[in-house]
Amino acid sequence: DSGVTQTPKHLITATGQRVTLRCSPRSGDLSVYWYQQSLDQGLQFLIQYYNGEERAKGNILERFSAQQFPDLHSELNLSSLELGDSALYFCASSGSSGGALRTDTQYFGPGTRLTVL
Amino acid sequence: GDSVTQMEGPVTLSEEAFLTINCTYTATGYPSLFWYVQYPGEGLQLLLKATKADDKGSNKGFEATYRKETTSFHLEKGSVQVSDSAVYFCALSDPGSGNTGKLIFGQGTTLQVKP
Repeated sequence: DSGVTQTPKHLITATGQRVTLRCSPRSGDLSVYWYQQSLDQGLQFLIQYYNGEERAKGNILERFSAQQFPDLHSELNLSSLELGDSALYFCASSGSSGGALRTDTQYFGPGTRLTVL
Repeated sequence: GDSVTQMEGPVTLSEEAFLTINCTYTATGYPSLFWYVQYPGEGLQLLLKATKADDKGSNKGFEATYRKETTSFHLEKGSVQVSDSAVYFCALSDPGSGNTGKLIFGQGTTLQVKP
């Protein structure tokens, strides 16, 4: 158990809909990362928050947004869903050591499997 | 831009065989390098890491050495077990991208170990 929780585990929805994925980081971790894993694109970094502020953005579509709340949990919002958004979405956390984030171990949650029909 | 290239899979080995999974990288700075493992139906977990040149990461019999001259971080294990069957990801975190820690992953290599 990594200490990172993600809900829901599975999500099935229709094209055009909007969903929210939730992540609770490990206790003490200030940084939350979102990644997308799909068969054709592999594992891709989407976005990072650190202590409530956006820190880095990757290949995240404009239809997607995220936020980190004062209790440090994070939500990833996906809207106007398309078939191609079907993927496994992982949340990871790090940053409790106080050192450089680039050397920190990231702890991954079990993922949310999104299926868009 | 930054990138990680792993050897194509799947890799199929017999139990107790020697394992090598090749990983090379391109980065603007001096990255930290990681190997993550994903067991079926689970999230990724760190296997080992190295944060500077010539560092060797090791864990559970797996080893990898950070080679700056060849920009490589190959994963090795002397004797694999059936329980090592999983997908292995090489990844980097580049300080040139600021102190973000975001990971760039290779495409993953599936390892299947047969009894």
